[in-house]
Amino acid sequence: GAVVSQHPSWVICKSGTSVKIECRSLDFQATTMFWYRQFPKQSLMLMATSNEGSKATYEQGVEKDKFLINHASLTLSTLTVTSAHPEDSSFYICSVTQGMNTEAFFGQGTRLTVV
Amino acid sequence: GQNIDQPTEMTATEGAIVQINCTYQTSGFNGLFWYQQHAGEAPTFLSYNVLDGLEEKGRFSSFLSRSKGYSYLLLKELQMKDSASYLCAVKDSNYQLIWGAGTKLIIKP
Repeated sequence: GAVVSQHPSWVICKSGTSVKIECRSLDFQATTMFWYRQFPKQSLMLMATSNEGSKATYEQGVEKDKFLINHASLTLSTLTVTSAHPEDSSFYICSVTQGMNTEAFFGQGTRLTVV
Repeated sequence: GQNIDQPTEMTATEGAIVQINCTYQTSGFNGLFWYQQHAGEAPTFLSYNVLDGLEEKGRFSSFLSRSKGYSYLLLKELQMKDSASYLCAVKDSNYQLIWGAGTKLIIKP
């Protein structure tokens, strides 16, 4: 069964609005979750590392005020895309790992389209 | 900088064998992963190598040579459902996953 649940699987929003994406770890407590973005025909790009109970760590070039991450519990992290623009349209995926040398488990992904 | 190289696209015939190569240069090494990703879906885990050698799992096998910074994924008895992108990823010294751009595999009847 699924280890990570991500919701919604797709969303269409208007420019200027905000969208929240949820990522839940179902099988184990995750002190760390990862948020990725993937544009068509491109590889996964790490956006930020979400740390339970503390601020997220953002990759270079990712605006922390635009992509708000909240990791309030050991099983839930949220990514909010604020003031969305059409160029934010992408496939957003979260992942968790149970240990340092284990594989990453991915959520189903969220297809965001900003019109 | 950190870099992972794999071919952009490969084509193979149903029932045949295909080998997808991956070379990497990373700051440290804590394992290499192969994932399969169908269009519009999240990646799914295929294999993990941390020691040199071949890991076999059904129709899929993965090989690693740490001294050469090289891995390959071998797919046997290809099926149409194997048409997907195959992603190579390496965990660096900080245990962060560094992703290759992926190899799109096209299977023809």
